[in-house]
Amino acid sequence: EPEVTQTPSHQVTQMGQEVILRCVPISNHLYFYWYRQILGQKVEFLVSFYNNEISEKSEIFDDQFSVERPDGSNFTLKIRSTKLEDSAMYFCASSGPLRGNIQYFGAGTRLSVL
Amino acid sequence: AQTVTQSQPEMSVQEAETVTLSCTYDTSESDYYLFWYKQPPSRQMILVIRQEAYKQQNATENRFSVNFQKAAKSFSLKISDSQLGDAAMYFCAGGTSYGKLTFGQGTILTVHP
Repeated sequence: EPEVTQTPSHQVTQMGQEVILRCVPISNHLYFYWYRQILGQKVEFLVSFYNNEISEKSEIFDDQFSVERPDGSNFTLKIRSTKLEDSAMYFCASSGPLRGNIQYFGAGTRLSVL
Repeated sequence: AQTVTQSQPEMSVQEAETVTLSCTYDTSESDYYLFWYKQPPSRQMILVIRQEAYKQQNATENRFSVNFQKAAKSFSLKISDSQLGDAAMYFCAGGTSYGKLTFGQGTILTVHP
């Protein structure tokens, strides 16, 4: 069964460093999302992406964040200068072309900012 | 959904028994979808069940079923014949067709042998 793949599974970084989280969505999907979950809290929407541009973003998604689909398969989330409060689980999700299609989630990348 | 509320931080059930997890939501959209996701300790998000708001019939997936009360904006999950593997955090979520999902706070389900 096709799945969303995220790498790395765990990223440790120093405060102020840049990180890039990578995702390979399901191949025929057209809509891509990033969510984050701070430990013990609910899942929060960051950004959605369609047709090579951001379709919606949350208040969390400030100038420190950016997304890119550099080729036909990868979808990346970059955090330019990490803060301690960026430590969280980051989930990538994708959904297909059909109306109301389900968002399939990757296994997540656990980001630890020291 | 613009807001999703799960009022039960924790629930427990005996193996083979039935448990119901509650969820309420609020939205101004007319076309929306509601979901239950399971998050085991691995923290993977696994879709359990989906409900289209325009369908009156409640969705079912094997041992999992929902009670969708559109007027009351309620969307509960019933797990029948609970198994040890059902133990996890359960999130209720809602959204429009291609839009973001809004999640509830989650309910931790414990299954006792």
